[in-house]
Amino acid sequence: ILNVEQSPQSLHVQEGDSTNFTCSFPSSNFYALHWYRWETAKSPEALFVMTLNGDEKKKGRISATLNTKEGYSYLYIKGSQPEDSATYLCASRTGTASKLTFGTGTRLQVTL
Amino acid sequence: EAQVTQNPRYLITVTGKKLTVTCSQNMNHEYMSWYRQDPGLGLRQIYYSMNVEVTDKGDVPEGYKVSRKEKRNFPLILESPSPNQTSLYFCASSLSNLVLSDNEQFFGPGTRLTVL
Repeated sequence: ILNVEQSPQSLHVQEGDSTNFTCSFPSSNFYALHWYRWETAKSPEALFVMTLNGDEKKKGRISATLNTKEGYSYLYIKGSQPEDSATYLCASRTGTASKLTFGTGTRLQVTL
Repeated sequence: EAQVTQNPRYLITVTGKKLTVTCSQNMNHEYMSWYRQDPGLGLRQIYYSMNVEVTDKGDVPEGYKVSRKEKRNFPLILESPSPNQTSLYFCASSLSNLVLSDNEQFFGPGTRLTVL
């Protein structure tokens, strides 16, 4: 089983702050990296699926980058808002395995 | 509305009493999967299905069974539940097999199961 790690485990920022967190994954046989946003009492919701080294994706104030050679992805949130409070999960897929291996998530709390 | 539904949402049961958690999607997705979420461990895949009558084990299949007789349904069966199966369970689906393309997965609302 792959080891997908996310840091930090939790993060507390003020409204308006920009923030970022990291997902690390084994780089050999890499195929894809998924980011999900998971609000309390709801189900995970897909943010990005990234496959190419150097990929950058953006959705509103949230963006992500991917480095497959060194095995990491960054998720950035610009101008955090209270509604951004959630757990952010990453998951990687390797080779021909039709399954994702998830990290334990970064829990973000944004306060006024 | 396009969605993945699970039932029940909450269940408290006793050791050894067979139970089934249903999962249904209305998006004509080929790929469906079951995960369990435990504190500090992240989502772990139990079983997945790439299409009707095609199922395969994930990382933690012991104690579980699945079936895929129809495209829209993918029930999770616990023949003899034990306390270590107390967890939050998620069903997910995606348009196609993850190997063929990296479509995003859509998750159901979750089922919180407690086995006493």
